[in-house]
Amino acid sequence: DAGVTQTPRHEVAEKGQTIILKCEPVSGHNDLFWYRQTKIQGLELLSYFRSKSLMEDGGAFKDRFKAEMLNSSFSTLKIQPTEPKDSAVYLCASSLAGGAEQYFGPGTRLTVL
Amino acid sequence: TQTVSQSDAHVTVFEGDSVELRCNYSYGGSIYLSWYIQHHGRGLQFLLKYYSGNPVVQGVNGFEAEFSKSDSSFHLRKASVHWSDSAVYFCAGDSGGSNAKLTFGKGTKLSVKS
Repeated sequence: DAGVTQTPRHEVAEKGQTIILKCEPVSGHNDLFWYRQTKIQGLELLSYFRSKSLMEDGGAFKDRFKAEMLNSSFSTLKIQPTEPKDSAVYLCASSLAGGAEQYFGPGTRLTVL
Repeated sequence: TQTVSQSDAHVTVFEGDSVELRCNYSYGGSIYLSWYIQHHGRGLQFLLKYYSGNPVVQGVNGFEAEFSKSDSSFHLRKASVHWSDSAVYFCAGDSGGSNAKLTFGKGTKLSVKS
C-alpha cells in the first residue's frame, strides 16, 4: 500500500529561480495538504484541497506560492521566484475525509542560495 | 484564533522511564486534538486522536493521551519508553466538519537515553 510520495527529496535553487515540488497522495484520499516546516515557525499550512478544490491557500503565502491539483492523484507546489527565506522542508499530506488522520510524505528539503 | 501550545521544547528521559509530553489549546468552538510523531528526516506519523466520549485515548506503540476541558489540555503519556521513541512529537488541533486543516504546536523533542 503506497503512502504519500514526494519528489524530489532535496532541491537546491538559486535566488529568483522557479521550482516545482510534486506530491502523489494516498490513493482514494480526498483531502490534500501542503505544509512548510522550519525550526523557527514550525509547521505552517500552505494549501488545502478537498476533492481537487482549493479550500485554503495559506494567506501569507499567496504571492509567490501556488499549489495545484491537476487530478486526484497528483499535486504540485510552485514557488516563483524563490528567496533564501524559502529554505525549509515542504511536506505534503493526504487524508480520507475531513477530520481523519493525515498521512505525510517524507518531505522535500529546499535550499535557496 | 485557534492555538495549540507545547511548553517543553525538549524532554530527556532514560529507557524504561515514564514520560508525559504536554499540550494545551485555545479554541473558540469544538476541537479535535491529535498527536503526531516525527523521526529525524521523516514525515509525520499519526499516533492518536480525541473526538469525543472517553477522555483517555489509546494510540499506537503504548501511547495514550487524556483530554481535559477544564485544563484545556491533551497531554501524551507512555508508561515505559524505548530508545526508538526518540523523536519530535507534535500536538495538533482541528475544528472538524468541513475544515480539516490542522493547527500544530511547535513540537517537543523527546530524547531517550539508554
